[in-house]
Amino acid sequence: KAGVTQTPRYLIKTRGQQVTLSCSPISGHRSVSWYQQTPGQGLQFLFEYFSETQRNKGNFPGRFSGRQFSNSRSEMNVSTLELGDSALYLCASSLGPGGRETQYFGPGTRLLVL
Amino acid sequence: AQSVTQPDIHITVSEGASLELRCNYSYGATPYLFWYVQSPGQGLQLLLKYFSGDTLVQGIKGFEAEFKRSQSSFNLRKPSVHWSDAAEYFCAVGARETSGSRLTFGEGTQLTVNP
Repeated sequence: KAGVTQTPRYLIKTRGQQVTLSCSPISGHRSVSWYQQTPGQGLQFLFEYFSETQRNKGNFPGRFSGRQFSNSRSEMNVSTLELGDSALYLCASSLGPGGRETQYFGPGTRLLVL
Repeated sequence: AQSVTQPDIHITVSEGASLELRCNYSYGATPYLFWYVQSPGQGLQLLLKYFSGDTLVQGIKGFEAEFKRSQSSFNLRKPSVHWSDAAEYFCAVGARETSGSRLTFGEGTQLTVNP
């Protein structure tokens, strides 16, 4: 079974631009979560989607948004990019929501904001 | 709110030596606990998980972890480290919340393996 895939793997943007990242979960997984990883803040939860509904949201500004499609694929969008948004963005999928469900991570999208 | 502490930012061991990575958590109910490993430029790979039952759990690559409720700890161990184990290790807590779920990660422990 294929793992979690994320596209693109690398991205360079400039301040003020917006960016969309894509995540395809493991087949049969209906929950998708997004995390931001930076050297200073570590791994931080962004949001979780299940059945096309946002179930949970981390402490990030409204510039960070996401959505989930009927096939469980998910996208996250960051508008008005700031230098501090440079990070590795990780997507994780699980069968369903809930802390008991194991989350499987993709390889990440590395975003550099110049 | 849950939190996770990994007291050791960086650990260096010799190949063949034993390893223990520490993890302490704070959570008001029964925690769901995970250990993940991340190699440079890669995503996170699940090593093992604890939900309930036997407090000693076995994982992949010869790793094991022991849940100790009295100490709020979930330390990761390996009896003999291989050079390929060099990576960053993350302990995480999962919790059921009314509106979904999230993983809370520790700061990570960077493992260096000397030949």
